[in-house]
Order: sequence, then structure tokens, then C-alpha cells
Amino acid sequence: GAVVSQHPSRVICKSGTSVKIECRSLDFQATTMFWYRQFPKQSLMLMATSNEGSKATYEQGVEKDKFLINHASLTLSTLTVTSAHPEDSSFYICSAIMAGQGFSEKLFFGSGTQLSVL
Amino acid sequence: AQTVTQSQPEMSVQEAETVTLSCTYDTSESDYYLFWYKQPPSRQMILVIRQEAYKQQNATENRFSVNFQKAAKSFSLKISDSQLGDAAMYFCAYRRRDDKIIFGKGTRLHILP
Repeated sequence: GAVVSQHPSRVICKSGTSVKIECRSLDFQATTMFWYRQFPKQSLMLMATSNEGSKATYEQGVEKDKFLINHASLTLSTLTVTSAHPEDSSFYICSAIMAGQGFSEKLFFGSGTQLSVL
Repeated sequence: AQTVTQSQPEMSVQEAETVTLSCTYDTSESDYYLFWYKQPPSRQMILVIRQEAYKQQNATENRFSVNFQKAAKSFSLKISDSQLGDAAMYFCAYRRRDDKIIFGKGTRLHILP
């Protein structure tokens, strides 16, 4: 089946630094990728939609200057948490839709990134 | 806006028994997809089963089956012959026409040996 690779799987950083998380579709092209955030023992909350070659669209309440998303190619989307603070500590998961498949195709999830900000 | 409700935060079932997880949703769309995802301790999201709204027949995948009641907007998951490896968090999810997925709050399933 299709594989979505997400790196790093775990990152610890100091408060005030920036962290980049990569989401890569390994064996298919993805015109659309989604970024989710999951707090401990809670559900996944959609943060933003990343479309190749265009600006990301953010869900209400998500700071676009804090969470920078770039979808520069059909296989790679990145999420950069800028000036990270302890409250940004969370589990971040990406998902990707295979290009050209239409509405019926399944989404494929990355394995997630645990961000801990000290 | 679409919502997904899972009213059972936790459930337990004896190994080899059958358990049903409940899910209701609200939408004004006529064409959509519903999913059950499993999230084990590794936190990898694993697709368990999916249902296309226009199909009346309930989806089945081996020991997993759904009871899809479109008029009632209900989408429950039945796990037969429960196994220890089924222990996980289960999320009911709704996929909108714009491909965004709305997740329920989840049900933690414990399997008792």
C-alpha cells in the first residue's frame, strides 16, 4: 500500500527555536496534504490543508505565522513550528491524498512526530 | 458544520467476545465517507474499515463490520472474536467533500484476557 513518511518521529527543542517536520509521500504523488495536532488522550484536530504550489489554508484558531506550511512538490509538505513554546508540545500527524484518485480514494497517514518544547 | 460523536470514552471486552463501538454524526451532505481508525500505542493511524454513504450494504473487513444507519446518522463498529491486539483507541471519522476528515473524540478499547 501507499506509504507516507514523516520525520522526525520525535524532537526535543528549546523554547524560542524553530522546528521543521517533513511529510513525504514515498510511492505516490500527493496534491493535497493535511496536518493534524493531537494532545495527549485527545482526538486529532485539523490544523491546515496543504496544496502543492499554493498557500496553505488554516483552520480557525490556528496561527499561520506560528505554523508555517510549505508544499513545494507533489511528494513533500513541511510544517515549521516557529519560536516554539512549551504549549506547542504535541503530537503532529500528516496525511496525504493520492493525486488523480478523486473522492473515493483513501487518505494515508504519516507515523506522526512528537514535539517536546523545553 | 459536520460533527462526529463517540459517546463511549472507554470500553472493555473479554477476549474472544464481541464488542460494539458507537458513533453518530451530523451532516447536511448526501455523499460522504465514514471511517473507523485504530490508533495503537505507537500512535500510527490504521484504517480499520470505511463506508461509502451511497452504499446501503454494511462494510465488513474480516472480524470488523459496521452497522450503518444513514437516516439515523449512526455508524457503529462491531468487533467479533476480540483479540488482545485489538486493544487501542478507536476513532470514528467523517470525510467531507473537500477531503477534510472530522474525527470523533475516540473510544479506548481494553481487551480482558
